[in-house]
Amino acid sequence: QLHLQESGPGLVKPSETLSLTCTVTDDSILSRDYFWGWIRQPPGKGLEWIGTISSSGTTYYNPSLDGRVTMAVDTSQNQFSLHLKSVTATDTSFYYCARHGRSLGVIAPLDSWGQGILVNVSS
Amino acid sequence: IEMTQSPSSLSASVGDRVTFTCRANQGIRDYLAWYQQKPGKVPKLLISGASTLQAGVPSRFSGRRSGTDFTLTISSLQPEDVGTYYCQRYDNAPFTFGPGTKVHI
Repeated sequence: QLHLQESGPGLVKPSETLSLTCTVTDDSILSRDYFWGWIRQPPGKGLEWIGTISSSGTTYYNPSLDGRVTMAVDTSQNQFSLHLKSVTATDTSFYYCARHGRSLGVIAPLDSWGQGILVNVSS
Repeated sequence: IEMTQSPSSLSASVGDRVTFTCRANQGIRDYLAWYQQKPGKVPKLLISGASTLQAGVPSRFSGRRSGTDFTLTISSLQPEDVGTYYCQRYDNAPFTFGPGTKVHI
């Protein structure tokens, strides 16, 4: 059964780069049928889609993040990553990694989620 | 494309039929998903394609589309249905979420 696990620092200083890794427990990351996403949720607030990456590295980012997002995939390690630069306190959130379902034509919704990791931005 | 949801919260009794709405300000065809997030838990995909229930989702949940308006109905509200329900477009990036509807008993 697919399992996704986020890892990374729980505290990042303002103006620095937030970097998280998601480890995927099965080989679906090797398949062109699946895409991989990052979503965040400030405590007590709603969900925000951050970005999505394919196994070949094609990326889609939320334009509201003003070009601060970079994602990468490492299929040899069954991992994909998120880098969010120039963070401020408003980037304090739970960060979830997730898999989009089998995608034929359009990128399917997110059918498997990690448990999430809380990242605080504070000096 | 913006996604709106109404109401922002609702309170109902066990056994009630509840319906809430998600609206896209442009056409997204049937590319609308619904997620349930129980308190303190990870979001869970309930419905894709506006009306297709995911495996294991109780049949009391149903989704419908009328133009750019989408509804999620719980035919008989259960205590375990408490949480926040989010819609999400997935016709094209950005895969925007709606702000959510919080359901109380």
